[in-house]
Amino acid sequence: QKEVEQNSGPLSVPEGAIASLNCTYSDRGSQSFFWYRQYSGKSPELIMSIYSNGDKEDGRFTAQLNKASQYVSLLIRDSQPSDSATYLCAVNSGGGADGLTFGKGTHLIIQP
Amino acid sequence: DTAVSQTPKYLVTQMGNDKSIKCEQNLGHDTMYWYKQDSKKFLKIMFSYNNKELIINETVPNRFSPKSPDKAHLNLHINSLELGDSAVYFCASSQNNIQYFGAGTRLSVL
Repeated sequence: QKEVEQNSGPLSVPEGAIASLNCTYSDRGSQSFFWYRQYSGKSPELIMSIYSNGDKEDGRFTAQLNKASQYVSLLIRDSQPSDSATYLCAVNSGGGADGLTFGKGTHLIIQP
Repeated sequence: DTAVSQTPKYLVTQMGNDKSIKCEQNLGHDTMYWYKQDSKKFLKIMFSYNNKELIINETVPNRFSPKSPDKAHLNLHINSLELGDSAVYFCASSQNNIQYFGAGTRLSVL
């Protein structure tokens, strides 16, 4: 059974600070890792994808992957109130038509 | 010019009815999916199709039947609706591992 674990939160972070979101996964064969943002009542929106160990930066977002520890994280620098949302960690064990296995999401609140 | 579009956006129906949700993508992707997001916001894969062929069929009651008339469309038909089917259903499509989601269909079974 493939599992993706996240702390459901809420995680409350002051505006301008760094928000750190974490995720662990059970399937060692997992190859692709994603962070999606979902606002209430909306669909998931891709924020970051990462495929190899290390850091990947895109603007204010940095994804970190450690396959040995089966751990993925997302850092959001200079957090803004508009970053308040649920962040979903997702893992794909193969390529092609494999569906994503999602965690239950971390609810992030940025306090103005 | 919505990339992945689902209809209807909202669906309210009685137990025992049969209903369909339609999904279309104009991205030229080969693979399409149906996900279910329950009341606790847990998003779970139901089906995936690649070029009209069923690839993944997770543990879903056989009251749920996907149909892909062509690679741009993946519809979901649900027979004998039950209270527990109430959820948001998301269609998605992908190419090169990246999945793009439709806006969702909120199904309420009364």
